[in-house]
Amino acid sequence: GAVVSQHPSRVICKSGTSVKIECRSLDFQATTMFWYRQFPKQSLMLMATSNEGSKATYEQGVEKDKFLINHASLTLSTLTVTSAHPEDSSFYICSASKGETGELFFGEGSRLTVL
Amino acid sequence: AQTVTQSQPEMSVQEAETVTLSCTYDTSENNYYLFWYKQPPSRQMILVIRQEAYKQQNATENRFSVNFQKAAKSFSLKISDSQLGDTAMYFCAFMGYGNKLVFGAGTILRVKS
Repeated sequence: GAVVSQHPSRVICKSGTSVKIECRSLDFQATTMFWYRQFPKQSLMLMATSNEGSKATYEQGVEKDKFLINHASLTLSTLTVTSAHPEDSSFYICSASKGETGELFFGEGSRLTVL
Repeated sequence: AQTVTQSQPEMSVQEAETVTLSCTYDTSENNYYLFWYKQPPSRQMILVIRQEAYKQQNATENRFSVNFQKAAKSFSLKISDSQLGDTAMYFCAFMGYGNKLVFGAGTILRVKS
């Protein structure tokens, strides 16, 4: 199977600090990773598409300076929420593609709480 | 841009009975994939079933089957012999070029004993 792991699963931080969330493909090389945000009882909203070795592509309305995405290797993408504020509190989920069309693998998600 | 519509915010079904979740979508693409994902309280996204648009035959996966109507752009999920463990949020999703997933708003399914 294909396993995607996110870390941390839960994080609480103070307003104004930065938080990094990691997304790793454990047993395959991910050519593309995606980051989503999910509010309680709502759907997943795509934030950005991350390709290894190149700049992330952000969806309309997503602040690229607020949500920094780095895809440094074929098995790791990171999302950094900079200068976090309470409104950034949410559930963040990543997914990864092996490159084959029509198949994505999801991480377990990371719950961010900003106090 | 693609859109996915799930018109049922919540559904309930008795254990062992059958329930159908609705999904419609809009796209100008001809080659695409459609999915149903389950998100239990753990919030882990679990793939339930996948349908390639070029295939006319409806996908089935044990108790789960779909009714794919390409011309009508409809993709409903039927769950047979519902089990308590089926209780979850269900998302219909569209994937076109670039492997980007577009999700519907979701349907909360409650299976009652």
